[in-house]
Amino acid sequence: AQSVTQPDIHITVSEGASLELRCNYSYGATPYLFWYVQSPGQGLQLLLKYFSGDTLVQGIKGFEAEFKRSQSSFNLRKPSVHWSDAAEYFCAVVPSGGYQKVTFGTGTKLQVIP
Amino acid sequence: GAVVSQHPSRVICKSGTSVKIECRSLDFQATTMFWYRQFPKQSLMLMATSNEGSKATYEQGVEKDKFLINHASLTLSTLTVTSAHPEDSSFYICSATAGGLGQPQHFGDGTRLSIL
Repeated sequence: AQSVTQPDIHITVSEGASLELRCNYSYGATPYLFWYVQSPGQGLQLLLKYFSGDTLVQGIKGFEAEFKRSQSSFNLRKPSVHWSDAAEYFCAVVPSGGYQKVTFGTGTKLQVIP
Repeated sequence: GAVVSQHPSRVICKSGTSVKIECRSLDFQATTMFWYRQFPKQSLMLMATSNEGSKATYEQGVEKDKFLINHASLTLSTLTVTSAHPEDSSFYICSATAGGLGQPQHFGDGTRLSIL
């Protein structure tokens, strides 16, 4: 069965500092990969997705993620964090080759300090 | 584009009542909609998958008679929590997809359900 691991439950960074959120997946083939962000009391917003091709994908709000097949990772990055980026971030996986249910990671809560 | 509207955003009701939550795709046709439940400080737990015009597929451990799902059109799915009790209090989130390979899910803003 597929699984998604986000090793960091909680991360604190200073405003303006760079950010990297880790995501590792376990699946037999390369799945479709997503990052979502959830602000308190709200639903999830899609930041970016990877299907195939260029392993570095650009998303909204200045986020990017890099797919590394050898490491089964899809880490999310941002060069300079803003206070408004404080939220919970979820990595998600869907098996390629047909639509099936999404498997979410447990989430990483990002705190931004001034 | 790809806006999903969920209503109501918050509901408080007495134990024993039934509560209906609506999920609408505003600018696309959603062939598949999903209902999730999220407990505090946890990830989303998929409750059921619904395809327009078909019966919903429930995940293991989810009572289908307790959580009634109707997906009558390509833009609307409803979740009815029947005879709600305090343990049903939670944050419920819907999502919708237009279908197709790897199409992302687009999420509603969630419904905070509190049963007194």
